[in-house]
Amino acid sequence: QVQLVQSGAEVKKPGASVKVSCKASGYSFTRHYMHWVRQAPGQGLEWMGIINPDGGSTSSAQKFQGRLTMTSDTSTSTVYMELSSLTSEDTAVYYCAREFAPVSINNWYDPWGQGTLVTVSS
Amino acid sequence: IQLTQSPSSLSASLGDRVTIACRASQSSSSYLSWYQVKPGKAPKLLIYATSSLQSGVPSRFSGSGSGTDFTLTITSLQPEDFATYYCQQSYTFGPGTTVDIK
Repeated sequence: QVQLVQSGAEVKKPGASVKVSCKASGYSFTRHYMHWVRQAPGQGLEWMGIINPDGGSTSSAQKFQGRLTMTSDTSTSTVYMELSSLTSEDTAVYYCAREFAPVSINNWYDPWGQGTLVTVSS
Repeated sequence: IQLTQSPSSLSASLGDRVTIACRASQSSSSYLSWYQVKPGKAPKLLIYATSSLQSGVPSRFSGSGSGTDFTLTITSLQPEDFATYYCQQSYTFGPGTTVDIK
């Protein structure tokens, strides 16, 4: 079955960077865009960015530009999200989410990874 | 585009019919989707392309609307439906509607 498995929880200090992985299985990895979405405690969902695993092109929300890096490794069917210059406001659960339809961007996300809690604290 | 949802929360009983509204700040050619989020769980796609039911989602869920006004309807609320629901258009999510037990 289609599955996204993310790396484990992280605790980081302000100013540090965090890198979260998302390993895909059960489908053709390069045919589906991957999104990153986060949810801060008690808050709603926030779209961060998108990567085309086939070639690695990316686009991100303006608020993250300059400190969000997304990469893909087709040999392991894994995408990565790295966020730098962390502050306490980056404390959140980070999700990868597959674009439902192949070779298209409709913003229908299915499935989602299980989420990775990133805690930023001094 | 900004999305608003109403109500922000509601209390309902098992078997109730529930309607959640999502309004976009402007009309767009982008489709609308709906997600269900439960504490500690990953979001689940319920509805895509405004009214298409995702595979495996019970038929008591339905979506409708056009232009700037959209609706998620749950007929006959079940125990597993108590959750927070988000609409999404393009890269924007609504603020969410929490459905809890009356």
